[in-house]
Amino acid sequence: NAGVTQTPKFRVLKTGQSMTLLCAQDMNHEYMYWYRQDPGMGLRLIHYSVGEGTTAKGEVPDGYNVSRLKKQNFLLGLESAAPSQTSVYFCASSFTSGYEQFFGPGTRLTVL
Amino acid sequence: GESVGLHLPTLSVQEGDNSIINCAYSNSASDYFIWYKQESGKGPQFIIDIRSNMDKRQGQRVTVLLNKTVKHLSLQIAATQPGDSAVYFCAENNAGNMLTFGGGTRLMVKP
Repeated sequence: NAGVTQTPKFRVLKTGQSMTLLCAQDMNHEYMYWYRQDPGMGLRLIHYSVGEGTTAKGEVPDGYNVSRLKKQNFLLGLESAAPSQTSVYFCASSFTSGYEQFFGPGTRLTVL
Repeated sequence: GESVGLHLPTLSVQEGDNSIINCAYSNSASDYFIWYKQESGKGPQFIIDIRSNMDKRQGQRVTVLLNKTVKHLSLQIAATQPGDSAVYFCAENNAGNMLTFGGGTRLMVKP
């Protein structure tokens, strides 16, 4: 099993550009999450999903949108990138909420 | 608000020594805690977890201790090796059924 995969691994955007980050998991997990991690800081929850077709806001949702059209995929979109969105983005999935989450390798995004 | 935090941002230990990484939590309703290891350029990896009805849990070379009286969590690594160098995060299930992550402690192992 591949576990949780993320594409792309790296991306550089100009301010105002848009992009979509893709997360895929092959563990048949119901729950999926998007986090951002800034230097020297912990993980902050952006959005999450409790099942196919559902999404919910996390701690820092502004400037991001998500979609969960298929159970195995969770997409994170930036409609108009800003330098403040420069960060490393991690996707995670879990069987149930509040317990062990499995993380992907991350996407390093730089917004100029 | 309720939060999970760490006492030491950086810990440097000699190879072969034991390491202790600490974490304080403030939500007395939290019933589950987990430690993650994050190596440079990688995503967090599960190390060990513990439920609030336990005081101690052991894994391979790692032990997690939970002191609910003072709301303190610690991760002990025995015979620390260079491969243990990483950032370690604690997280709690904050009774809202989501995990809240601490800021992380960087463990550096000196050869």
